[in-house]
Amino acid sequence: DVKVTQSSRYLVKRTGEKVFLECVQDMDHENMFWYRQDPGLGLRLIYFSYDVKMKEKGDIPEGYSVSREKKERFSLILESASTNQTSMYLCASSFSGYGTEAFFGQGTRLTVV
Amino acid sequence: AQRVTQPEKLLSVFKGAPVELKCNYSYSGSPELFWYVQYSRQRLQLLLRHISRESIKGFTADLNKGETSFHLKKPFAQEEDSAMYYCALNGGSEKLVFGKGTKLTVNP
Repeated sequence: DVKVTQSSRYLVKRTGEKVFLECVQDMDHENMFWYRQDPGLGLRLIYFSYDVKMKEKGDIPEGYSVSREKKERFSLILESASTNQTSMYLCASSFSGYGTEAFFGQGTRLTVV
Repeated sequence: AQRVTQPEKLLSVFKGAPVELKCNYSYSGSPELFWYVQYSRQRLQLLLRHISRESIKGFTADLNKGETSFHLKKPFAQEEDSAMYYCALNGGSEKLVFGKGTKLTVNP
């Protein structure tokens, strides 16, 4: 079974804090993704990575950065958390190639107060 | 630009009725299209992909390049089909983009 594990299920942080969301996959996938999921807005891609140290911006990268120092780990960083970043964050991973399936983590519910 | 449109936020049907969840996409090349499903309190998971051309849990989806659509269909809905459904597109750059989702409710 493919496992994509996000470090926290729930997080509460204060405005202005630096926040790290961690994601680890155990299937040697090349691709990793970070999405936020909001009611009525669906899944919006924040960043993705197709290899170690490689990253590309998604549709809503503002206020976020990412790090991929090892193939199995992809971190999402909120440099200075704001209340409008309160959301469900989903990590996913997949092999490269046509038609490959993305596997998702269980999600991290982040609340910024 | 890659874009996925799911025009219905909510869809409600009765058990045994046919169901169709609509998905339209915008992409100039040859897209890879997927349907993902999220059941209550479960993680998002793949339902089917267009290259497989298979039926999963009674659901099918046909890629129509002329209409740029990838609608999801099931002839007889079941209560356990109630879930959130997302259409997704990979435009060849490994960038996987999702639509806003359709919440399907199957009433007894």
